[in-house]
This record gives sequence, C-alpha cells and structure tokens, in this order.
Amino acid sequence: SQQGEEDPQALSIQEGENATMNCSYKTSINNLQWYRQNSGRGLVHLILIRSNEREKHSGRLRVTLDTSKKSSSLLITASRAADTASYFCATDDQAGTALIFGKGTTLSVSS
Amino acid sequence: GAGVSQSPSNKVTEKGKDVELRCDPISGHTALYWYRQSLGQGLEFLIYFQGNSAPDKSGLPSDRFSAERTGGSVSTLTIQRTQQEDSAVYLCASSLVGGQTNYGYTFGSGTRLTVV
Repeated sequence: SQQGEEDPQALSIQEGENATMNCSYKTSINNLQWYRQNSGRGLVHLILIRSNEREKHSGRLRVTLDTSKKSSSLLITASRAADTASYFCATDDQAGTALIFGKGTTLSVSS
Repeated sequence: GAGVSQSPSNKVTEKGKDVELRCDPISGHTALYWYRQSLGQGLEFLIYFQGNSAPDKSGLPSDRFSAERTGGSVSTLTIQRTQQEDSAVYLCASSLVGGQTNYGYTFGSGTRLTVV
C-alpha cells in the first residue's frame, strides 16, 4: 500500500517563525489529510485537501497539494510553543478504505 | 459520547497472556479503525469496520490478532499469546462514513500496551 513520507523528520524553530513540512506519496489519491499528535497519544485532524484542490487554509495553517509531483506541504505561520507536536500526512490506500500514515515530522517550537 | 473512548489507557501484561483492548466510537460514526504505533514510528493500519459489514482485516500482523465490533458500535481488539514486539500504543479512530476516506478521523487517546 502507498504511504506518505514527511520531510524533514525533525524541525526546530523559534516562536513567531513559520514552519513548513512536506509530504510525498506514491500513487494517485482521492484526498490528503494532515494530523497533529501531542505526547505520542491520540491524533487530531487538522485539514483535508481533495485531489482537485491546490491550496487550502485554516487559521494559521496553509496546505498545498501538487498532484503532478505527488506532494503536499503544511505551513504553520507565526508558530507558538503550543504547536510543538508531531505532524503526520495521511492518504487513502489503493482500496480507498483506510488512511495510510507517514512517520511524521516532529516540530519543536521554543520561546 | 463526545469523543472516541479507549480503555484501558495503559496495560502491562506478561508475555504469553491474552489482552483485550476496548474502543467506544463517536455515536453515529459508522466507520471504525484500529492502528498500532510503535515508539517513534508512524501508524500501522490493523483493521477497519464499516457498519455491520465484514471487516477489512488486511493489516492484522498475525493470527494472534483479532477484532470484533458488536452492534456496529463498540469494538474489542484481542491479542492472544502476547509477545514483546506487541508492545506499542494501540489507537482507535472513527469517522462518519468510511469508504472513500472523505472524512477526517477522530482518534481516541490510545492504549499503551507493554509486554514484559
């Protein structure tokens, strides 16, 4: 099954800076989703972008999708210490039944 | 309920024992998923239930793993004869409708399983 791969694996920034995380995947998708995980427990859904969309915004989050390059990016603007977490992209599997998650980007925001 | 509820939150068991993990999804969500996350790793898909249909068991790592969903609601993941490599956080998620994954998932807080 296909899998999103996030890049970089880890990112450290100062409060107020922007954080950009990238995700690449292997085969065609219906949509791509981004999730946040704090302290290795439950994930929180952030945003879903459909394959016919190129950009989507939600608060300080901006997601882009380039289906020709099979890649997506998540931009967090004006980061805060509370944004410290792991971020995962997820794509549907070839059967379109369950999301397949990448290994995540660990973001650390220091004040 | 207001969210996805998982129990227990932590479980320590001896190698060779059986364990049962419980998931109570959001009321009205027809799709339910189980994932496993080893330390510092991504999520590994285990099993997917859609309503009362036969589940997609393609992610179960061995025949020691099984799951059921009663009445299209509560689900139980059972691991028989646990091994140390089963140690992980087991996450349950539900979504309004399964199939084309057009809906975001709501995750529970997980069960941290430690096999000693």
